[in-house]
Amino acid sequence: AQRVTQPEKLLSVFKGAPVELKCNYSYSGSPELFWYVQYSRQRLQLLLRHISRESIKGFTADLNKGETSFHLKKPFAQEEDSAMYYCALLNTGNQFYFGTGTSLTVIP
Amino acid sequence: ETGVTQSPTHLIKTRGQQVTLRCSSQSGHNTVSWYQQALGQGPQFIFQYYREEENGRGNFPPRFSGLQFPNYSSELNVNALELDDSALYLCASSPGRTDTQYFGPGTRLTVL
Repeated sequence: AQRVTQPEKLLSVFKGAPVELKCNYSYSGSPELFWYVQYSRQRLQLLLRHISRESIKGFTADLNKGETSFHLKKPFAQEEDSAMYYCALLNTGNQFYFGTGTSLTVIP
Repeated sequence: ETGVTQSPTHLIKTRGQQVTLRCSSQSGHNTVSWYQQALGQGPQFIFQYYREEENGRGNFPPRFSGLQFPNYSSELNVNALELDDSALYLCASSPGRTDTQYFGPGTRLTVL
């Protein structure tokens, strides 16, 4: 069965510090992985997807098939990064699986 | 260009009743996905519609059903409501089946 695990429900970092939000998945096929973000009082929106290999708002994520991970990283956290972050997987059967989310707080 | 809209915003029903939630997709999008988000949880995939056909389904019972119209708007129907159906229901549209999803604001359903 497919599963997306985000082990940290809450994460706090100081402004300017590096941040890493963890995401592990279980899926035997070739998944497509995403990070979604929800800022306060805003809609859920796509942050990045692994196939595009883009860096959005300074965030990057590398798919590690050996460790089945897709951790989200940013070298220098900003206050505006405070939000809820969800890791998601799309399987070959067109089914999406979301993790339970990590609430990131960047302390000024 | 208008974004994804959902109606109603809030809804209160009693156990055993039926409910219909509506979603208008973003202009140019032919794919709509529905999610259930319980408090403190991530969105759970219910199903996806692509060009009026169901294109993928999550682990939800048959009393959760849907429809997509020729203009690509969509409905989610839930029969025989249970207390555990209380959640935020999110709709997302995309230009294609695996393209970037654009989410609506959600409908908050409370089942008493």
